[in-house]
Amino acid sequence: EVHLLESGGGLVQPGESLRLSCVGSGFNFQNYGMSWVRQAPGKGLEWVSAITGGGLSTYTADSVNGRVTISRDNSKNTLFLQMNSLRAEDTAIYYCVKDMYSGSPGPFEIWGQGTMVTVSS
Amino acid sequence: EIVVTQSPATLSVSPGETATLSCRASQNIGPSLAWYQHKPGQAPRLLIYGASTRATSVPARFSGSGSGTEFTLTISSLQSEDFAVYYCQQYGIWTTFGQGTRLDI
Repeated sequence: EVHLLESGGGLVQPGESLRLSCVGSGFNFQNYGMSWVRQAPGKGLEWVSAITGGGLSTYTADSVNGRVTISRDNSKNTLFLQMNSLRAEDTAIYYCVKDMYSGSPGPFEIWGQGTMVTVSS
Repeated sequence: EIVVTQSPATLSVSPGETATLSCRASQNIGPSLAWYQHKPGQAPRLLIYGASTRATSVPARFSGSGSGTEFTLTISSLQSEDFAVYYCQQYGIWTTFGQGTRLDI
């Protein structure tokens, strides 16, 4: 069974950093693009960042560009999201998602259960 | 950035009826559109991709249509478990989500 498990969320103060992780299982991790999608409280889904299967190309939404870095370690079937200079508006559930293909983002075939990030003083 | 607009924001229907949800893209994206179902406390679920292809294990009562800029998700013979928020996503140029349609009883 294909499974994604996120970790690393928590409560941080504005301006601080956080690193999210996501371990994939049940599929050939390196063959698929991966993304992070978030949902702020009471809001809709927002794509954050994506990385191709081999990790050579990354894509990031304008709203977080320059503050987040997506990466992956295919030897450990793990996806990362490094978030810096966090703001209150970054408060959200962050979902790790498996792309249907190896290239640019979408469609998102499998979703993790999400990890909550709260930015507050 | 391609803007994706869903309508209506909320749709109230009864079990057994048919629901029709719309999604409009601000530019031509061909068939590069997906639909997701999202229930409270759960992860979103892929329903449709390529505008009209059902994902694995998705019941046949869910169908998608459209191309270019206008797309539709039709849910026939609504069942109680279908009441949720539905999002469309364009992946023709980068990717963006619509704001969602809440399907209420």
